[in-house]
Amino acid sequence: EVQLVESGGGLVQPGGSLRLSCAASGFTFSTYWMSWVRQAPGKGLEWVANIKQDGSEKFYVDSVKGRFTISRDNAKNSLYLQMNSLRAEDTAVYYCARASIAASRDYWGQGTLVTVSS
Amino acid sequence: HSALTQPPSASGSPGQSVTISCTGTSSDVGGYNSVSWYQQHPGKAPKLMIYEVTKRPSGVPDRFSGSKSGNTASLTVSGLQAEDEADYYCSSYGGSNNLVFGGGTKLTVL
Repeated sequence: EVQLVESGGGLVQPGGSLRLSCAASGFTFSTYWMSWVRQAPGKGLEWVANIKQDGSEKFYVDSVKGRFTISRDNAKNSLYLQMNSLRAEDTAVYYCARASIAASRDYWGQGTLVTVSS
Repeated sequence: HSALTQPPSASGSPGQSVTISCTGTSSDVGGYNSVSWYQQHPGKAPKLMIYEVTKRPSGVPDRFSGSKSGNTASLTVSGLQAEDEADYYCSSYGGSNNLVFGGGTKLTVL
């Protein structure tokens, strides 16, 4: 059974940093692109970042470029999101998701809440 | 890329059919056969319902179907059931390894 379990969310002050983790199991993690997708409270889904199987290619939504870094450790079946210079508008539930056919995201974690507030 | 445009709400009675639209541009919806649809119940993670415009993942009822014409994709739910009440989001590949989502549609089963 495919499982994605996020952790690392919490309350952080504006300008602060946080590192999210996503533990993957039930599939060969190293053979899939992976993504982070976020959802602000009461709002819609927003793609945040993608990372290639070997970590050699990374892509970001414009609003997080230069502040967030996606990475992975295939030996640990883990995906990460380092978030720096956090802003109030980064407040959201952050989901990790497995990328699949035709840009779909076929499995999602349960999400971890990040709140940026003083 | 701007978000894809979805109606904020849709509704139908049990047993009826309802169609939700998702409008983009030739740079996303119209340019690729990479439209997906997700169902999200309150407090839960999104669930993939349709991928590659028309295809259903294993386990998704055939009451759910997708289509596309030009820059607009559609999700049709036939034979509405109470458990179909949820938020629905479309997404499309937007080129340059970007993914764009719609704003979401709240489906109410009357």
